[in-house]
Amino acid sequence: KAGVTQTPRYLIKTRGQQVTLSCSPISGHRSVSWYQQTPGQGLQFLFEYFSETQRNKGNFPGRFSGRQFSNSRSEMNVSTLELGDSALYLCASSGGRNYEQYFGPGTRLTVT
Amino acid sequence: QQPVQSPQAVILREGEDAVINCSSSKALYSVHWYRQKHGEAPVFLMILLKGGEQKGHEKISASFNEKKQQSSLYLTASQLSYSGTYFCGTGPSGNTGKLIFGQGTTLQVKP
Repeated sequence: KAGVTQTPRYLIKTRGQQVTLSCSPISGHRSVSWYQQTPGQGLQFLFEYFSETQRNKGNFPGRFSGRQFSNSRSEMNVSTLELGDSALYLCASSGGRNYEQYFGPGTRLTVT
Repeated sequence: QQPVQSPQAVILREGEDAVINCSSSKALYSVHWYRQKHGEAPVFLMILLKGGEQKGHEKISASFNEKKQQSSLYLTASQLSYSGTYFCGTGPSGNTGKLIFGQGTTLQVKP
């Protein structure tokens, strides 16, 4: 099976702009979770989507949003970008009974 | 609440053993372990569930003490390929993809 794919892999934006990141899960997986990874804060949970519904949400401001489509592909949107949003954004898909997660390669977002 | 991993970093020689601990102040349903190499995505190693223990692959195994709300990852006879940062992710409830990750333990295996 093909793994989790994320596009784009690298992105440079300026403060105040918005950005949309995409994630395609492993075929058959219905759960997609998003994480932000930074050197200072580590891996932080953003949200999880399951069957097009947000099932869990982390402690991030409303500028961070997401959605999931009927084919389980997911997008994450960040509006009004701030310098502190610079990070590696990882998505992970789950399909097993115990929700082991398989991560994509990530999108490296740099905000200048 | 974020689980606490210890130690923060460890340096080993090939063939040596290591233990990485993950402790939580909250009751756990599951503990997931991942390894991330520099510049790569985290890779799933194994999962431990409340009421059970599951071993992983190679010479890596783990335990889950529900009473202490703690999990330990055991790496025996370390290989160079074991180098990386190890994360534990705790699942507060079942049937969910939400994990709260520890801060990570950096493992370096030297020849």
